Amino acid sequence: DTGVSQDPRHKITKRGQNVTFRCDPISEHNRLYWYRQTLGQGPEFLTYFQNEAQLEKSRLLSDRFSAERPKGSFSTLEIQRTEQGDSAMYLCASSLGSPSDYGYTFGSGTRLTVV
Amino acid sequence: ILNVEQSPQSLHVQEGDSTNFTCSFPSSNFYALHWYRWETAKSPEALFVMTLNGDEKKKGRISATLNTKEGYSYLYIKGSQPEDSATYLCAPGAYSGAGSYQLTFGKGTKLSVIP
Repeated sequence: DTGVSQDPRHKITKRGQNVTFRCDPISEHNRLYWYRQTLGQGPEFLTYFQNEAQLEKSRLLSDRFSAERPKGSFSTLEIQRTEQGDSAMYLCASSLGSPSDYGYTFGSGTRLTVV
Repeated sequence: ILNVEQSPQSLHVQEGDSTNFTCSFPSSNFYALHWYRWETAKSPEALFVMTLNGDEKKKGRISATLNTKEGYSYLYIKGSQPEDSATYLCAPGAYSGAGSYQLTFGKGTKLSVIP
């Protein structure tokens, strides 16, 4: 297992298009998180899954955003009708059990540019 | 919502110099303090997780201390090397009401080590 994988690494899209990102966590990790980092800011929490259940969503996650984790394995994050403000680095992280002791393991992120 | 401040924002040091950064955060309402190192085009790498006042952790030439009463943490790098060039992020972690463990990141300190 080589860690948390995210695909694609980069995505350039036109405003108004839909985009989908994928995250493959470390295989035995049951907890999965999405964060977003905009220019000049630290990463901000978007949503959390425990197994296949989406247990929490940030207020940052507007109606245009949807995340899934079917079967508790990989996760997808879809953004509909993209806007220029969606341009950011989208980070996925996973953990086994409570991350309060060891933290998360992050992927390398997907950098989205909306033109 | 925690307000996390990191200083300095960026830093250039000569190879061999020692350096330190500061992370300040509200002294209450967090479970653990996390430090990450994020190199360009890579995934954020967990450095330390600290919970107790007075905690001190060390990993090679990098060490960190935690003061929970006054709400700050220091990260020290002894004898900086070019491979230490990265953005260093701190993040207090806390459990939300829904049970997810969320990190609130500062904006980071970008370190450049000049050979």
